[in-house]
Amino acid sequence: NAGVTQTPKFQVLKTGQSMTLQCAQDMNHNSMYWYRQDPGMGLRLIYYSASEGTTDKGEVPNGYNVSRLNKREFSLRLESAAPSQTSVYFCASSGPGGGRGNQPQHFGDGTRLSIL
Amino acid sequence: AQKVTQAQTEISVVEKEDVTLDCVYETRDTTYYLFWYKQPPSGELVFLIRRNSFDEQNEISGRYSWNFQKSTSSFNFTITASQVVDSAVYFCALSGIQAGTALIFGKGTTLSVSS
Repeated sequence: NAGVTQTPKFQVLKTGQSMTLQCAQDMNHNSMYWYRQDPGMGLRLIYYSASEGTTDKGEVPNGYNVSRLNKREFSLRLESAAPSQTSVYFCASSGPGGGRGNQPQHFGDGTRLSIL
Repeated sequence: AQKVTQAQTEISVVEKEDVTLDCVYETRDTTYYLFWYKQPPSGELVFLIRRNSFDEQNEISGRYSWNFQKSTSSFNFTITASQVVDSAVYFCALSGIQAGTALIFGKGTTLSVSS
C-alpha cells in the first residue's frame, strides 16, 4: 500500500520555467491538499480539494494552480517559477475512513524544488 | 481567524529527560480538532494524535502524553524518558470539524535529544 505518492522528489528549475508536481493517493480518500514548507514557517496551505470536482485556495495560492484530475490525483502547477517558490512541497490526503469528522491527513514524502 | 502558536522554536534535552512541547491555539469555532505531527530528520510527516474539542480527557500512548485544556486553549505534548529517536520537528495543528477541512499548522518545535 503506497499511500500518497509524489513525483518528482527533487527538481531544479530556472526562473520563468513551468512545472507540474504530481500527487496520487490509493487510500480512496475524498480530500487532498498541497502545502509548502519553508524554514521557520511550518506548513502553509496552498490549495486543497475537499472532494472530487472542487478546489479552494489556501493561505498562499498566488503563483500556483491545481487540478483535481480524478479522485486519486491532485496536481500542482507553477506557471512561471520564481525564486520565492523554492520550497519543499507536500501533498496530503484524508478521509473519510469510516470515522466521524475531519480525519488525519496522510502525507507524501515531499518534493524539494529549487528555483534559480 | 484561526492560529496555532508553538512558542518554543528549539528544545535540547539529554536522553531520559522528560520534555513538554507547548501548543496554544486560537479559533472562533466552538467545535474543532487538534492534531500533533512528527517530522523526523528523514523529512516525512507522521500523524501522532487527533483530539476533538468535546473530549478534554488527557491521553497517554506509551511514552507520549497529551494535555488538552480548553480553558487555556492549549494542547501540550509531553515525551517521558526521551530517546535519541525522538529527535524531530513536532507540529501542532488545528482544523474545523467537517471532513475535508484543511489544517492550520504551527511553525513547529525542533526537539534535539542527545545521548
